[in-house]
Amino acid sequence: AQRVTQPEKLLSVFKGAPVELKCNYSYSGSPELFWYVQYSRQRLQLLLRHISRESIKGFTADLNKGETSFHLKKPFAQEEDSAMYYCALSSSYNTDKLIFGTGTRLQVFP
Amino acid sequence: NAGVTQTPKFQVLKTGQSMTLQCAQDMNHEYMSWYRQDPGMGLRLIHYSVGAGITDQGEVPNGYNVSRSTTEDFPLRLLSAAPSQTSVYFCASSYSGTGNPFDQPQHFGDGTRLSIL
Repeated sequence: AQRVTQPEKLLSVFKGAPVELKCNYSYSGSPELFWYVQYSRQRLQLLLRHISRESIKGFTADLNKGETSFHLKKPFAQEEDSAMYYCALSSSYNTDKLIFGTGTRLQVFP
Repeated sequence: NAGVTQTPKFQVLKTGQSMTLQCAQDMNHEYMSWYRQDPGMGLRLIHYSVGAGITDQGEVPNGYNVSRSTTEDFPLRLLSAAPSQTSVYFCASSYSGTGNPFDQPQHFGDGTRLSIL
């Protein structure tokens, strides 16, 4: 079964500090991994996906199949990064379902 | 384009009542889905549809029905509401012309906050 684990419910850092939001997945095939973000009073939106291998708003994420991880990283956090972050997975076998993790709330203090 | 529109935004029900949460999109997206968001549990997939006339179950389908008679609309029905269904419900849609509905970003609605007493 597909499963996404985000071990941290809350991550608090100061502005300028590095950020790493952890995501581990369980899936035996070839997964597609995504990060979605929900800013305060805004709709949930796609931040990035592993297949694009791009940096969005300074965030990057690398798929590590050996460790079954897809951690989200940013070298220098900004206050506007404060939001709820969700890691999500879809499978290459069944591409009709997008399974989300439990989410991590990032708080960036000034 | 309005994107994904969910109505109502808030609703309070009594146990046993029925209700339909509405979801409409004006982007001609084939794929639509319903999630519930609960504290500590993230978003869980309830039902989804890959096109008009086609629906399937997600992770937590019990207690919910859906139908997809048109491309634009994907209503979620609670036939007999239970307190355990108190949650925030999100509808999402995406273009799936490539065959993979996640090749394009999911567009989410604002959500419906539902309380069942």
